[in-house]
Amino acid sequence: DGGITQSPKYLFRKEGQNVTLSCEQNLNHDAMYWYRQDPGQGLRLIYYSQIVNDFQKGDIAEGYSVSREKKESFPLTVTSAQKNPTAFYLCASSTGQGQPNIQYFGAGTRLSVL
Amino acid sequence: KQEVTQIPAALSVPEGENLVLNCSFTDSAIYNLQWFRQDPGKGLTSLLLIQSSQREQTSGRLNASLDKSSGRSTLYIAASQPGDSATYLCAVRPRETSGSRLTFGEGTQLTVNP
Repeated sequence: DGGITQSPKYLFRKEGQNVTLSCEQNLNHDAMYWYRQDPGQGLRLIYYSQIVNDFQKGDIAEGYSVSREKKESFPLTVTSAQKNPTAFYLCASSTGQGQPNIQYFGAGTRLSVL
Repeated sequence: KQEVTQIPAALSVPEGENLVLNCSFTDSAIYNLQWFRQDPGKGLTSLLLIQSSQREQTSGRLNASLDKSSGRSTLYIAASQPGDSATYLCAVRPRETSGSRLTFGEGTQLTVNP
């Protein structure tokens, strides 16, 4: 079954704690993305990676970190520096450069602060 | 900086009605525009993608149009059904030399009443 798997579905963070959200894809896509969605709002880009071992900051990268050591995996760490982490986090992947480059999305992780 | 706006923010219609969702963007230098559907608490599903050289795309009861010069796109849903109830998001891919990031609108929350 091809697709994008995000885990966990729900995650709780304590004050001062770092947490890591998992994103795995078996679509053989080069590019992967992390978005944040707040209630009633669209998606905002946190980080994206067009190829293994390379990634770029999106519009709201502060307080987040990523790695891209394998093509299939693009984990997102929400650090203690992110003061308002409560949101719905979505991971996506695409073939990368060229057309049409449709992005395919995972089911999301909902992060809350205890 | 590209900005994407969707109007209305919410829409409630009776079953069977034809409806139009609007999307506008500030920078006409785009590769393509996509319409997505998001069910509550779920990821995004791509509905239609219009290349910058195209005027419209159709899939079943859905028709999306693009007027790049005026920075506008519409999503037309014919004979709406309760199963169409969801949030609809549009996103543009900017025409730049590298990267394949999308800029999203805030979405239109559609409710189709039986």
